[in-house]
Amino acid sequence: DADVTQTPRNRITKTGKRIMLECSQTKGHDRMYWYRQDPGLGLRLIYYSFDVKDINKGEISDGYSVSRQAQAKFSLSLESAIPNQTALYFCATSGRSNQPQHFGDGTRLSIL
Amino acid sequence: KQEVTQIPAALSVPEGENLVLNCSFTDSAIYNLQWFRQDPGKGLTSLLLIQSSQREQTSGRLNASLDKSSGRSTLYIAASQPGDSATYLCAVKDNQGGKLIFGQGTELSVKP
Repeated sequence: DADVTQTPRNRITKTGKRIMLECSQTKGHDRMYWYRQDPGLGLRLIYYSFDVKDINKGEISDGYSVSRQAQAKFSLSLESAIPNQTALYFCATSGRSNQPQHFGDGTRLSIL
Repeated sequence: KQEVTQIPAALSVPEGENLVLNCSFTDSAIYNLQWFRQDPGKGLTSLLLIQSSQREQTSGRLNASLDKSSGRSTLYIAASQPGDSATYLCAVKDNQGGKLIFGQGTELSVKP
């Protein structure tokens, strides 16, 4: 089983719909992150959390919200999806600051 | 604002060649630098992590160097193989919140 699991792997939906992407990890890490990847723009940080009671905005948080339900679970929501949120979304985890980040396989999201 | 640049954007080499991938960053006040590999349709796999106090890290045929003062890192791949074909990303972690700032990647193709 993967250490960082993202669901769903693919999602196609319509403008205005509410969408939730989920991430769970078995690595026992405190820190969790959500990124989006767009061609030509690389990966950009949306939100991150250093423990269950900690939520921080990243570079591009507008239009997104997150919930850290437990140490192992971190979900990303799009309250009212718009086409320019079409992208590949990644969840990542890490232990302490001097340790590497570990990524899930991503969710490919298309908004029509 | 930290910016990370990777040149070239794409590289094609014959099997067996030694090669160097470049990463540059604008702010030398980094906590560490991480190199990743991304295969099509997959997430990111961490290859090497260099702390700000280190000059290089090695893993098998891979060697990553860091020159903080000049804002540069290189990833050296020895005796390249077709299985090395992937996109290689570098990312720097800032000194404040532990966020990763990514370059746009170098797409490597190793021809048999």
